[in-house]
Amino acid sequence: DIQMTQSPSSLSASVGDRVTITCQASQDITNFLNWYQQKPGKAPKLLIYDASNLETGVPSRFSGSGSGTDFTFTISRLQPEDIATYYCQQYDDVPYTFGQGTKLEI
Amino acid sequence: EVQLVESGGALVQPGRSLRLSCTVSGFNFDEYAMHWVRQAPGKGLEWVSAINWNSGATGYADSVKGRFTISRDNAKKSLYLQMNSLRVEDTAFYFCAKPRSIIVVSAPLDSWGLGTLVAVSS
Repeated sequence: DIQMTQSPSSLSASVGDRVTITCQASQDITNFLNWYQQKPGKAPKLLIYDASNLETGVPSRFSGSGSGTDFTFTISRLQPEDIATYYCQQYDDVPYTFGQGTKLEI
Repeated sequence: EVQLVESGGALVQPGRSLRLSCTVSGFNFDEYAMHWVRQAPGKGLEWVSAINWNSGATGYADSVKGRFTISRDNAKKSLYLQMNSLRVEDTAFYFCAKPRSIIVVSAPLDSWGLGTLVAVSS
């Protein structure tokens, strides 16, 4: 199975900050990497797919980059509504594993 | 509007069985693969299973292989998860999710239900 190592597990930041989360795959997954946002009591929401493509309707302050085994998710200017837990997920091979999650706090 | 509604969650004893359902609307169900993802209370997301558009292919997480079976009824626009030999560690919210692209199983999940809670306890 492909292991996804996400860091940090939690992060405290201020409104307006630039926030970066990393995700490392245990093997090459080319660009088959998604980023999801999950708010408490809600279903996950797709933000970024194919490592760097912004999902329709998602604000442009969210971005993703990387390929192969190393990926980065960035919020350029943190907003109060961005408080959530963020997950990476690989879909290169079954099982489509998730990272452990990053809980973002302000 | 795309909608996915899970049902069937309950409190069950270890070793028992349960069947979850996911009923969808707002898209051509028979063109899409479908997935189940679960989340133990206070924990992270775990992919569980997927099925292709015509039930010709399925996949499972190692943790549920041999105990869970995914299926679908395209005429009823419904997805199912038959869960046998349930364990305490199967306790979780179970979400059904739709891929972003038609036909392919390996795809980002762009629509999710609200989830249904399965609690396994004696």
